Amino acid sequence: DTGVSQDPRHKITKRGQNVTFRCDPISEHNRLYWYRQTLGQGPEFLTYFQNEAQLEKSRLLSDRFSAERPKGSFSTLEIQRTEQGDSAMYLCASSLGLFTEQYFGPGTRLTVT
Amino acid sequence: KQEVTQIPAALSVPEGENLVLNCSFTDSAIYNLQWFRQDPGKGLTSLLLIQSSQREQTSGRLNASLDKSSGRSTLYIAASQPGDSATYLCAVKNTGNQFYFGTGTSLTVIP
Repeated sequence: DTGVSQDPRHKITKRGQNVTFRCDPISEHNRLYWYRQTLGQGPEFLTYFQNEAQLEKSRLLSDRFSAERPKGSFSTLEIQRTEQGDSAMYLCASSLGLFTEQYFGPGTRLTVT
Repeated sequence: KQEVTQIPAALSVPEGENLVLNCSFTDSAIYNLQWFRQDPGKGLTSLLLIQSSQREQTSGRLNASLDKSSGRSTLYIAASQPGDSATYLCAVKNTGNQFYFGTGTSLTVIP
């Protein structure tokens, strides 16, 4: 399967712990996006990479959140000192160019207890 | 900021019926618009992408139209099937790199 993959698919953590998620985009896609989705809502943009450069960040991305794409391939999203409000589905998407389709991964569902 | 609205929020139809889902957006200066389906607890599956210069796109039983000047798009599903049951989301891309999503239409097709 050459689609977007995300790991883990589910994560349960206690409040205050740090968590890290991984996204592997479609191999030739140089653009990578992170979104957060809560129940009953559409995905909300978090951040965007073109190759290894993080070019845009949403105001939703507080200083507890950090994302990297070190070699322009896979990306990680880390949440430090998790809060119950961080419970959501975290989605990764990739695209080939500015005007092309985004393809989404299956998401990582985070539950903070 | 771009606001995207989808109406209705939920729709239930008998199998075989043709149906239309609506998406409206407040800022008409878009690059493109993409329709997705999402099954419960899953990621998004791309259905159709319409560039700002296009009026419509078709894929199988799906047809999406775009009226940029009025800030509207519709997704037409012909001969609906129970397997079409899912949440349908539209997303628009303005200048910049992010897509703005609506909250979706939850579709149930009754056998």
